[in-house]
Amino acid sequence: TQLLEQSPQFLSIQEGENLTVYCNSSSVFSSLQWYRQEPGEGPVLLVTVVTGGEVKKLKRLTFQFGDARKDSSLHITAAQPGDTGLYLCAGANLKAAGNKLTFGGGTRVLVKP
Amino acid sequence: DVKVTQSSRYLVKRTGEKVFLECVQDMDHENMFWYRQDPGLGLRLIYFSYDVKMKEKGDIPEGYSVSREKKERFSLILESASTNQTSMYLCASSFPTGGFWTSGYEQYFGPGTRLTVT
Repeated sequence: TQLLEQSPQFLSIQEGENLTVYCNSSSVFSSLQWYRQEPGEGPVLLVTVVTGGEVKKLKRLTFQFGDARKDSSLHITAAQPGDTGLYLCAGANLKAAGNKLTFGGGTRVLVKP
Repeated sequence: DVKVTQSSRYLVKRTGEKVFLECVQDMDHENMFWYRQDPGLGLRLIYFSYDVKMKEKGDIPEGYSVSREKKERFSLILESASTNQTSMYLCASSFPTGGFWTSGYEQYFGPGTRLTVT
């Protein structure tokens, strides 16, 4: 069974600060997605990383896929209250039927104004 | 934009009732999924389907069944609802083929149904 561990589980910061969320596994994934979920809503896809060592930027969000494709990080620069939410990483395995994903437990981020 | 809709945002049912949760996607996706989300337990896969009339058990299928008679619709059925099935239920869909911008695994979620069983 493939597992994805996210850390920290909870992060509370002031507006303008930076933060990093980590997603780690002992398994190799063919790709990794990051989602953000706001209270009472479903998760929304932010980005997909596919290549080991890949870095993608989405405005103030920077996503990195580890060289060995076992881990990933999400870094937010100058966080804003609108960044508040539950951040989920999810790994894909080419061998999994139906294109299933393995989800991490999530990191709840609170950005205080 | 992909749109995934779920039949209800909030639902309150009594123990023992049969409950139907419906999910519809409008992007001709092959794969559809049902998850439940509980505090501290994350997203757990109940069932998924990779084609019409095809279904596969996920990690926690006990107490649930599913139906996929049409490609765009995937229903989750609680045959006899119990209080431990009180949860947020999320439906998702995905298209299995990757393209220039996608890996083929990206899932698109509905807004969720918060089910309370009393």
